[in-house]
Amino acid sequence: GNSVTQMEGPVTLSEEAFLTINCTYTATGYPSLFWYVQYPGEGLQLLLKATKADDKGSNKGFEATYRKETTSFHLEKGSVQVSDSAVYFCALSKNDMRFGAGTRLTVKP
Amino acid sequence: GAVVSQHPSRVICKSGTSVKIECRSLDFQATTMFWYRQFPKKSLMLMATSNEGSKATYEQGVEKDKFLINHASLTLSTLTVTSAHPEDSSFYICSAGAALAGGGETQYFGPGTRLLVL
Repeated sequence: GNSVTQMEGPVTLSEEAFLTINCTYTATGYPSLFWYVQYPGEGLQLLLKATKADDKGSNKGFEATYRKETTSFHLEKGSVQVSDSAVYFCALSKNDMRFGAGTRLTVKP
Repeated sequence: GAVVSQHPSRVICKSGTSVKIECRSLDFQATTMFWYRQFPKKSLMLMATSNEGSKATYEQGVEKDKFLINHASLTLSTLTVTSAHPEDSSFYICSAGAALAGGGETQYFGPGTRLLVL
């Protein structure tokens, strides 16, 4: 069945460091891919999405490119801020939605 | 953007009682709503898919008689945890399906309901 595997955390970075959170997926056909973010004490929010191969989703300085050849959708940000501290979930949608386990990011000043 | 609300945000109840959680799509209609359970430091686990006007589809291992779902309108789905026990204590999250501009679908999530059963 469809599934998502993402990098285990926690990840701790200093402010302005470069962030990569790896995400790979298994699915038949062409799913839509998403990154969701969950800030402390809040619900999930859609961060970015890509609906077809080679699409790049971007929002708030975060980017992820839909790579069909490597079945990946890695999340990147060039310079993280303390306010980016949250749990990040990779997800795919193909008939239903499947989530990765989540990666907790802590950014220290 | 699309907003989904949940009520209550937090509930404490005694073992054996039933608790109802409401999920509303505030500015759009949702034919399909989803109910998830999130365990501490774990990902979301899909419990059931709720379709307006029809019976919910439950994931394997989820007791449909314990977690009653009613999707009475295009903007409201309810989850009732019947005869709650301490092991039902968890964070319950709903989402509403919506089409994306440019194709595909996504889900908009409610803020979640924390249930504590004593």
